[in-house]
Amino acid sequence: GQQVMQIPQYQHVQEGEDFTTYCNSSTTLSNIQWYKQRPGGHPVFLIQLVKSGEVKKQKRLTFQFGEAKKNSSLHITATQTTDVGTYFCAAPGGGSNYKLTFGKGTLLTVNP
Amino acid sequence: GAVVSQHPSWVICKSGTSVKIECRSLDFQATTMFWYRQFPKQSLMLMATSNEGSKATYEQGVEKDKFLINHASLTLSTLTVTSAHPEDSSFYICSAKTDKSNNEQFFGPGTRLTVL
Repeated sequence: GQQVMQIPQYQHVQEGEDFTTYCNSSTTLSNIQWYKQRPGGHPVFLIQLVKSGEVKKQKRLTFQFGEAKKNSSLHITATQTTDVGTYFCAAPGGGSNYKLTFGKGTLLTVNP
Repeated sequence: GAVVSQHPSWVICKSGTSVKIECRSLDFQATTMFWYRQFPKQSLMLMATSNEGSKATYEQGVEKDKFLINHASLTLSTLTVTSAHPEDSSFYICSAKTDKSNNEQFFGPGTRLTVL
């Protein structure tokens, strides 16, 4: 079935440093979504990328979708303690455009 | 808008008992609901997809007789863990989507199940 590889698994940064997490797929994706899960919480939708080479920004967060639509990244500029959590990418798979396959996630911790 | 609730938020039960978890879309009609389980510090694993009024579609390796899913209405889906065992202890999360949500899934707060 669909697999999405996400790295790194963990990232610890000092507040103010940048952070990036990457997702890769062996197959072309119709779209890719990003979610954030705070410790003890549930995933919250951040964004969906659909177009080849698409770049979207949400304040300090920048999301990119590769030209081949096989990889994506989430970059956070000048991290804050509120950015702590696990960031998951998720892609449709399993023959359905509705089911999502989640990456393993990147746990971000920020040292104040 | 797009709020999904789950009940209970946590439950502790004895081995061999059954536990029912409810997932409700509070302010929208969910054409499709999904059930995931998440082990500590791991990713979400899709268990099944349920559409209102039809049988759930289970992922490979998920026992449909053990994890009973009922999607009785456009706002309610239930997951019953039958004859629960300690290895079923996990965080169960539901999500819902609508035809208009452009593939975005709205997640419930999750239910932490502990089987003694």
